[in-house]
Amino acid sequence: GEEVAQTPKHLVRGEGQKAKLYCAPIKGHSYVFWYQQVLKNEFKFLISFQNENVFDETGMPKERFSAKCLPNSPCSLEIQATKLEDSAVYFCASSQSFRGSGAFFGQGTRLTVV
Amino acid sequence: AQTVTQSQPEMSVQEAETVTLSCTYDTSESDYYLFWYKQPPSRQMILVIRQEAYKQQNATENRFSVNFQKAAKSFSLKISDSQLGDAAMYFCAYRRGTDKLIFGTGTRLQVFP
Repeated sequence: GEEVAQTPKHLVRGEGQKAKLYCAPIKGHSYVFWYQQVLKNEFKFLISFQNENVFDETGMPKERFSAKCLPNSPCSLEIQATKLEDSAVYFCASSQSFRGSGAFFGQGTRLTVV
Repeated sequence: AQTVTQSQPEMSVQEAETVTLSCTYDTSESDYYLFWYKQPPSRQMILVIRQEAYKQQNATENRFSVNFQKAAKSFSLKISDSQLGDAAMYFCAYRRGTDKLIFGTGTRLQVFP
């Protein structure tokens, strides 16, 4: 597709429930990034993929967060046992393979944990 | 580690006037890329402008231009002929090669008629 497609737009989960977010990158883009934007507007990097391989996972809270990018499937970000502090907007972005390529963002998924 | 600093949490400008948003960064790399993103209330992140560090010429996109000072590690965004639709959060970002983008904390721009 010509744009990064994120689903769902909104997700409400009770504390302790699982949340799963999806992202279809722009066709032909090799890199996928996940960011968390909290109320202070700051962007926290979570993880990036080069095709289906993890490229950088230095931002991932390892205990409850996991992510995948499998061939011919949307990428996914899963949060097991959600906590109140996981409430945020989660953005997916994709970029081409050349150095310094701009990253193009999806519309985000707003996760509310109640 | 690379860092990006936006020291102006909020700025305002009159319609049709010019405004400059500041951004500084810290890196020991010589080859990197800098970006400005706009985030309107809809939350959609829009790429405004991109600058390669190896290029001395400042990037320009219509009413948006940058002042890139590599030695000073400064990358400011100038918006000319401001319009009501320019009101948004603006984020400065740094990228080394194909690494993740590192964002500043953002500047909220208000545009008054």
